Amino acid sequence: DAKTTQPPSMDCAEGRAANLPCNHSTISGNEYVYWYRQIHSQGPQYIIHGLKNNETNEMASLIITEDRKSSTLILPHATLRDTAVYYCIVKSGAGSYQLTFGKGTKLSVIP
Amino acid sequence: DAMVIQNPRYQVTQFGKPVTLSCSQTLNHNVMYWYQQKSSQAPKLLFHYYDKDFNNEADTPDNFQSRRPNTSFCFLDIRSPGLGDAAMYLCATSVRTSGGETQYFGPGTRLLVL
Repeated sequence: DAKTTQPPSMDCAEGRAANLPCNHSTISGNEYVYWYRQIHSQGPQYIIHGLKNNETNEMASLIITEDRKSSTLILPHATLRDTAVYYCIVKSGAGSYQLTFGKGTKLSVIP
Repeated sequence: DAMVIQNPRYQVTQFGKPVTLSCSQTLNHNVMYWYQQKSSQAPKLLFHYYDKDFNNEADTPDNFQSRRPNTSFCFLDIRSPGLGDAAMYLCATSVRTSGGETQYFGPGTRLLVL
């Protein structure tokens, strides 16, 4: 699975959009981009995933560049409860079970 | 609500004393995973079951074993815990969606080795 690069930390003001970038320049054609987050002392929580089209759900939006070498997770209105470590993971589809977590981005939402 | 349940949330054991951690799921997913997460590190996969088919990661120590008696339950056995095995142990399940596997995690069991 391709490796990802994320900034180690980011701050965001409460109520503003949080834009978390991820580089995955070696991604291959059958690999998906997944985002998980982990709030302190809890298990990771699935947020969203995509292949090449932009995706949106009740939690977030995922914007993938046309060349698929980078993506951005958008939390449209960050709250204090969104403070967590956010992991961007690239994983191939069917038959690949392992999630390889990198260091992630520590997002701090500030009142 | 359907979920992944881990008991206990905190477990204390003694050096060398076998310990078992439990995971159950009400999601009826056919894949179950055990991850180890040490302090300030990312989760690391130990092994997974696809139905009854056990798959061990190459670097998982022999000290760690797992059992899955049925679809709903999975156990992590640490035969002789060392101080370095103190960590959060995460159970997860997955189902195949339209593209890839989405994993759902339990709250974790934090193991302390004295």
